[in-house]
Amino acid sequence: GQSLEQPSEVTAVEGAIVQINCTYQTSGFYGLSWYQQHDGGAPTFLSYNALDGLEETGRFSSFLSRSDSYGYLLLQELQMKDSASYFCAVRYNAGNNRKLIWGLGTSLAVNP
Amino acid sequence: GAVVSQHPSRVICKSGTSVKIECRSLDFQATTMFWYRQFPKKSLMLMATSNEGSKATYEQGVEKDKFLINHASLTLSTLTVTSAHPEDSSFYICSARSASGRGETQYFGPGTRLLVL
Repeated sequence: GQSLEQPSEVTAVEGAIVQINCTYQTSGFYGLSWYQQHDGGAPTFLSYNALDGLEETGRFSSFLSRSDSYGYLLLQELQMKDSASYFCAVRYNAGNNRKLIWGLGTSLAVNP
Repeated sequence: GAVVSQHPSRVICKSGTSVKIECRSLDFQATTMFWYRQFPKKSLMLMATSNEGSKATYEQGVEKDKFLINHASLTLSTLTVTSAHPEDSSFYICSARSASGRGETQYFGPGTRLLVL
């Protein structure tokens, strides 16, 4: 079957760097996405990796290693507003369809 | 960026009534829309995938007669929770995938919080 694992909680302080890991087991892997969700809100897209390597967008970077079935989201210069849940999601080929499976989310708490 | 709206944002209804939730892509055409359900502090659970002009594909365990999905146009999909019961209370979120551009990106609506009394 398809599965993803990510830590349930991470705590850090303002200005620090935090890395949220995501390991997956899927057949037909296509790409890895990251989404941010604040309490009571809807998920917002952060990044997408289909190829190995690092994608950088401002303070956020995402990395993928297809051979290791592993990726991570790196958040730099943490701010209080970064406190949210972060979900990794894997897109995979399922027959004629392309589906998305979600991790359970990592709750990030940024403290002063 | 692409904008997806949902209406209503919050609804409270009596048990046994039906509730319709609308999902619209405001500035792009969405060939595919997804409906998710999320319980507090939990991950998103995909309920169904709808493609414009065709029947929705429901995930295992989701009752298609209970959750009616209609994707009538490239900018509108609706989810109707029929004969709602308290256990249907949840946060329902739609997302849309653009017909062009970066096709792997899903844009989410703001969600609809349903409370069934």
